[in-house]
Amino acid sequence: DADVTQTPRNRITKTGKRIMLECSQTKGHDRMYWYRQDPGLGLRLIYYSFDVKDINKGEISDGYSVSRQAQAKFSLSLESAIPNQTALYFCATSVRTGQQFFGPGTRLTVL
Amino acid sequence: GESVGLHLPTLSVQEGDNSIINCAYSNSASDYFIWYKQESGKGPQFIIDIRSNMDKRQGQRVTVLLNKTVKHLSLQIAATQPGDSAVYFCAEELLYNFNKFYFGSGTKLNVKP
Repeated sequence: DADVTQTPRNRITKTGKRIMLECSQTKGHDRMYWYRQDPGLGLRLIYYSFDVKDINKGEISDGYSVSRQAQAKFSLSLESAIPNQTALYFCATSVRTGQQFFGPGTRLTVL
Repeated sequence: GESVGLHLPTLSVQEGDNSIINCAYSNSASDYFIWYKQESGKGPQFIIDIRSNMDKRQGQRVTVLLNKTVKHLSLQIAATQPGDSAVYFCAEELLYNFNKFYFGSGTKLNVKP
């Protein structure tokens, strides 16, 4: 079984809709991250959380919100989706410094 | 702000040859550098990392070199195999900036049989 899972894997939605992407991990890591990936660009950090009570904005947090429901769960929400939020979204976990473990990604299309 | 970039967007090599993927970074305060491999349809997968106080680290068939003088990082893959075909990202971690990671845009490695 995968250590970091994301649901859904693919989603097509319309402008203005609220969308939630979910991430679960069985690695027991305290730190979790949400990134988006666009063609030709590297991963960009949206939000990160170092434990259940800790939520921090990344470099591109506008238009997104997150919830850390438990150590193992970190959700990303788009309150009112817009077309330029069409991207591949990745959740990741880490222990401390260095290596991050990534989920398989969610491909989101906003029409 | 910090930036991590790659010199070449695409690299083609013959199977069995060695591959060298380069990366430039701009923040001299970065503490960790990490290489990831991303295969089509999958999330990035850790390959190797190196601390800023090191200049070389070796793994299985891979070597990472760090040149802090010119802020340059490279990933060397020995005896490249078809399974090595993927996009490779370098990333830097800044411990002073709450352990944030910054990723380069990636180099696509094509291995020709």
